[in-house]
This record gives sequence, structure tokens and C-alpha cells, in this order.
Amino acid sequence: DAKTTQPNSMESNEEEPVHLPCNHSTISGTDYIHWYRQLPSQGPEYVIHGLTSNVNNRMASLAIAEDRKSSTLILHRATLRDAAVYYCILRDNNQGGKLIFGQGTELSVKP
Amino acid sequence: DAGITQSPRYKITETGRQVTLMCHQTWSHSYMFWYRQDLGHGLRLIYYSAAADITDKGEVPDGYVVSRSKTENFPLTLESATRSQTSVYFCASRGGGSYEQYFGPGTRLTVT
Repeated sequence: DAKTTQPNSMESNEEEPVHLPCNHSTISGTDYIHWYRQLPSQGPEYVIHGLTSNVNNRMASLAIAEDRKSSTLILHRATLRDAAVYYCILRDNNQGGKLIFGQGTELSVKP
Repeated sequence: DAGITQSPRYKITETGRQVTLMCHQTWSHSYMFWYRQDLGHGLRLIYYSAAADITDKGEVPDGYVVSRSKTENFPLTLESATRSQTSVYFCASRGGGSYEQYFGPGTRLTVT
């Protein structure tokens, strides 16, 4: 399974944009890039995913490098509720879509 | 209740006992998954199922047994619990044509 590398922790100020990086240099052509987040004492929740093109949804944006070896999750205006562990995951559609979680980035948001 | 539920939410058991964690989803999702999360770590996949009566091992299957006789239920059994199985267990489900996994609230299991 292809691996991802993320910083262990990041800090942000409330109402400022946050860029969460992820490296995945061994990504294969069939791997989708997924982001999940886990709020304290809860199960993970889906944030966004993409294959090659940049993606936007109501929660965040995903910027994918042209060579697909890295990506960045962008929270446009961080709120206190965005404090969570963010996981960047490569999902292979050929393996039942199972997710292999890494360590994730713990995001703290300061008021 | 609609969605994905897990029971019990908290469980304390003794070493050597058998314990079953239940997972139920109301969406008729074909895929279901079991993960464990240890303190300070990400989630690790234990078992997953693509449909009723179809299961497959994940990263850490040893010491666990699963079954899936009905689409909506995916119980996880620890046949002889060990202290190393103290963890938070999350169940998840996903529709066959979907990309998003939906996670349950978790079961915190302590083995003494």
C-alpha cells in the first residue's frame, strides 16, 4: 500500500486559511487521494477526495500537484470546530476501497 | 436509528474472555470495515467485507473473527481477549458505487 507523509502537528489562527500538506511520492495511477478528519472523541469523517484535478467542496479544497506526488488540503477560514486530526490517505479502487490511515496531522486552531 | 451504530459504546472485560462488538448500518451499504485505534495512533484496518458472506483480512486480523450473515450487520469477535486488544474500535460502511466511508461512534474496549 502506498504511504503518505504528513507533519505531526500544525497551528492556525481562527478565520485564517490553513494549508495542510501531504507527500505521497509512491502513488500509483489508480490511487485516489482522500482526506478524512477526526474530531476529538469521534470517528473519522470524510472531507474531500481527488485523482488528478483540484477539487472544491463545502468543507475544503484539495490541490494536487501535477506529478501527483504531493497534495494540499486547504481550509479557507479555520474555525475552532476545525481542530482535529487530518488524515491524508491513498485509496486503491482495486482493493475494495479500503483506507490505510497514517499518523495524520493534528491541527490546533487558536482564537 | 438511521446511520451506523456500534454497541456497546464501552466495555470492560477480562483476559481470556470472548467479547463481541456489534456494528449495524441502515443504508444497505455493501462494504463494511472494522478498524482499531490505539492511543496516539491512526486507525488500522482489522477486517472488511464487500458483501454478505464475503470477508477479507486487513492489516491486523490476528485474534479477531468476523462474520456477515446480513448486509446491515458486521460483528467483530475477540475469541480470547488479550490486554494488547485494549483499544477503541471503529466500524465503517460504504456504498458500492461511493467513495465515502461513514464511521460509527466507536467502542472503547478495555481488557484487564
